[in-house]
Amino acid sequence: DTGVSQNPRHKITKRGQNVTFRCDPISEHNRLYWYRQTLGQGPEFLTYFQNEAQLEKSRLLSDRFSAERPKGSFSTLEIQRTEQGDSAMYLCASSLVHGTGGAGYTFGSGTRLTVV
Amino acid sequence: DAKTTQPNSMESNEEEPVHLPCNHSTISGTDYIHWYRQLPSQGPEYVIHGLTSNVNNRMASLAIAEDRKSSTLILHRATLRDAAVYYCILPIQGAQKLVFGQGTRLTINP
Repeated sequence: DTGVSQNPRHKITKRGQNVTFRCDPISEHNRLYWYRQTLGQGPEFLTYFQNEAQLEKSRLLSDRFSAERPKGSFSTLEIQRTEQGDSAMYLCASSLVHGTGGAGYTFGSGTRLTVV
Repeated sequence: DAKTTQPNSMESNEEEPVHLPCNHSTISGTDYIHWYRQLPSQGPEYVIHGLTSNVNNRMASLAIAEDRKSSTLILHRATLRDAAVYYCILPIQGAQKLVFGQGTRLTINP
């Protein structure tokens, strides 16, 4: 297992189009997270799954955003009717439940979305 | 999550030690201190974490103040590949997510 894989690495789309990103986590990790990062800012939490259950969604996740993790394996993040403000790096991470709460997260390299 | 304060940026020279500070005056007794870093065009990567005692690993050392209100990430011999944004994070016990601040942008001069 080579880590968390995200596809595509880059996506350019026209405003109003729908886009879907995929994340393949580390196979034994039961938690999967989506973050969004804009230029000069730290990553912002969007949502997370434990196995196939989506357990938390940020207020940042408007109703145009939907995430799934069928069968508790890979995950997809879909953005409908994209807006220019959606332009950002979308990061996926996976982890096992850890007693420290914060160690052992592995991030992918992200999908950079540009909405024109 | 407990709030952390880090300098926006720091600069150092190659092959010299780097001390990255983090203040966390509202830390509770059960909060671990975590450090992640983000290289250019990459996702964040785990660096180190600790609770009370100083910690060492192959990447860095973490020095934790006796009152735990501050900590310092130490890179013993910086290389150009250490240029990154370094995040100090205090997840609460059983936290379901990491919450990132602005971090410290570290520049390494050749």
